[in-house]
Amino acid sequence: TQLLEQSPQFLSIQEGENLTVYCNSSSVFSSLQWYRQEPGEGPVLLVTVVTGGEVKKLKRLTFQFGDARKDSSLHITAAQPGDTGLYLCAGLYNQGGKLIFGQGTELSVKP
Amino acid sequence: GAVVSQHPSWVICKSGTSVKIECRSLDFQATTMFWYRQFPKQSLMLMATSNEGSKATYEQGVEKDKFLINHASLTLSTLTVTSAHPEDSSFYICSAREGTGTGELFFGEGSRLTVL
Repeated sequence: TQLLEQSPQFLSIQEGENLTVYCNSSSVFSSLQWYRQEPGEGPVLLVTVVTGGEVKKLKRLTFQFGDARKDSSLHITAAQPGDTGLYLCAGLYNQGGKLIFGQGTELSVKP
Repeated sequence: GAVVSQHPSWVICKSGTSVKIECRSLDFQATTMFWYRQFPKQSLMLMATSNEGSKATYEQGVEKDKFLINHASLTLSTLTVTSAHPEDSSFYICSAREGTGTGELFFGEGSRLTVL
């Protein structure tokens, strides 16, 4: 069974705080992607990590891929109300090229 | 980036009717398309993999007779929800990949289905 565990599923914080979202699986991915989705729209790709141990930064967002390519994390520094949204991790499996999503993290940043 | 378009964006239908949702790749040829379903405040659940010119591959638990998928051309895949019921109300999202393998996937805007 392909299972991607994402946590926490809900997060409500104050503006300026830091947060980390985790994505874990027992399976190895060829790559892992992070998306952000607004209500009523399709998900928008934020980053793709491919190499074990890889770290990528996108402004205040830092993405890390585990050494064994089974887990990843998204860290947001000094969160802002504009960061509010649904964040999704997704693992790409070599077999069939399927993209399987984690449960998602609903982030609310209050001013 | 490449563009994937879904139509309609939203649809309301009566229980028992069938609804067709289209997914088009506008500027590339999509050998493979994927259909997802998403309930409010939840993540995307993969329903099926649609391959041009062949039968779709459905994920475990998805009724193939309920959700008919056709991928007749390299730029169009359709999802038909047959004999729709209120529990079929959901947000349906497609994604498309150019060629085979593990290249980048591009997502449509989603289609909101409400069954009365």
